[in-house]
Amino acid sequence: AQTVTQSQPEMSVQEAETVTLSCTYDTSESDYYLFWYKQPPSRQMILVIRQEAYKQQNATENRFSVNFQKAAKSFSLKISDSQLGDAAMYFCAYRSSSNTGKLIFGQGTTLQVKP
Amino acid sequence: EAEVAQSPRYKITEKSQAVAFWCDPISGHATLYWYRQILGQGPELLVQFQDESVVDDSQLPKDRFSAERLKGVDSTLKIQPAELGDSAMYLCASSLRRTIKQETQYFGPGTRLLVL
Repeated sequence: AQTVTQSQPEMSVQEAETVTLSCTYDTSESDYYLFWYKQPPSRQMILVIRQEAYKQQNATENRFSVNFQKAAKSFSLKISDSQLGDAAMYFCAYRSSSNTGKLIFGQGTTLQVKP
Repeated sequence: EAEVAQSPRYKITEKSQAVAFWCDPISGHATLYWYRQILGQGPELLVQFQDESVVDDSQLPKDRFSAERLKGVDSTLKIQPAELGDSAMYLCASSLRRTIKQETQYFGPGTRLLVL
């Protein structure tokens, strides 16, 4: 069974600085998808960025980028130029390439952004 | 921008009572998911629908939980009887699901359940 681990329950960053959130996963599959979701307080979860395992190039979405290390089964999220609105719980998630769309989530990392 | 709707947003009930949650996915989204998120943890899938059919309910405690999506649009998740351990956030998500590669799940705001 696949598992996702986020070892940092809480992180903090100064506004305008860069922060990296860590995620590791375990799977025996070779083809899969990885995601970072953001869950602001009392608001719905939204997709931040996705990575397809067969792509070597790291995904980037504006200030958000990932460092995908397939051999190490590591998938970290880097947030550049942190903004107050980035404060939220961040979840790393795994999805198999099989037909079901089930997302397997990590425990989450709470990100605090200090002004 | 279209969103997934859920109601109620909050529900307080006593153990052994029945509760029901409703989800209205984004229009045209054939795939619907119910996840349970215990405080301080990541969401876990309870059930997945493709149109009106159940695709995966392997993690649904079927002795007390039931889910339906009769017309392949909105969905109801029911718990009867509720137990203290059911206190959690119940999230609904939907997706267009053209292909597994293209799929993006859009989440609703959730229903926070407290069982006393």
